[in-house]
Amino acid sequence: AQSVAQPEDQVNVAEGNPLTVKCTYSVSGNPYLFWYVQYPNRGLQFLLKYITGDNLVKGSYGFEAEFNKSQTSFHLKKPSALVSDSALYFCAVRDRRGGGNMLTFGGGTRLMVKP
Amino acid sequence: EPEVTQTPSHQVTQMGQEVILRCVPISNHLYFYWYRQILGQKVEFLVSFYNNEISEKSEIFDDQFSVERPDGSNFTLKIRSTKLEDSAMYFCASSPDRGFTDTQYFGPGTRLTVL
Repeated sequence: AQSVAQPEDQVNVAEGNPLTVKCTYSVSGNPYLFWYVQYPNRGLQFLLKYITGDNLVKGSYGFEAEFNKSQTSFHLKKPSALVSDSALYFCAVRDRRGGGNMLTFGGGTRLMVKP
Repeated sequence: EPEVTQTPSHQVTQMGQEVILRCVPISNHLYFYWYRQILGQKVEFLVSFYNNEISEKSEIFDDQFSVERPDGSNFTLKIRSTKLEDSAMYFCASSPDRGFTDTQYFGPGTRLTVL
């Protein structure tokens, strides 16, 4: 079975500072990993994904994520946070082995960026 | 940019009533999904649909649930006899094909309240 953990319910950062939102995963095979963001009254918007290749993945709005196989992590990062980045962030995984296209989501992390 | 749309945005119903939640996936996408998020809990997979049949379903997706693509554009989720515990945000998603690397694009959700 596949699972995702987002250990922090909320992350607070000051505008202009770097941010990290943590995600760890568990799969039986190799993972496909995704980050989504949810703004109030909006759906889940795709930010970026890791499929294979370079461990550092760049996505929308200046976000990037680093895949670390040994630590089974896929942390979301941004060098300089904006107030408008405040939202709910979800990490998700799909297991390459065993078939199926379902995504398994973490519980979400609320990012608060203060001016 | 094409988007997944969902109607209604909020549905209130009495316990035991049937509800139909509607989704219009992105037009050239072939793979469709329903997920739900009970308040304060994780986003959970319900069902995936490809080539006019269910591809996968979770244990949540019991006989009370059904999905249909009644025409070339709509994708619906029906709950035959709603229960209080069906109250949740329901998200529709679509992806270009059934490839494991394909990104799932989510709609804004329908908030279902069962009284």
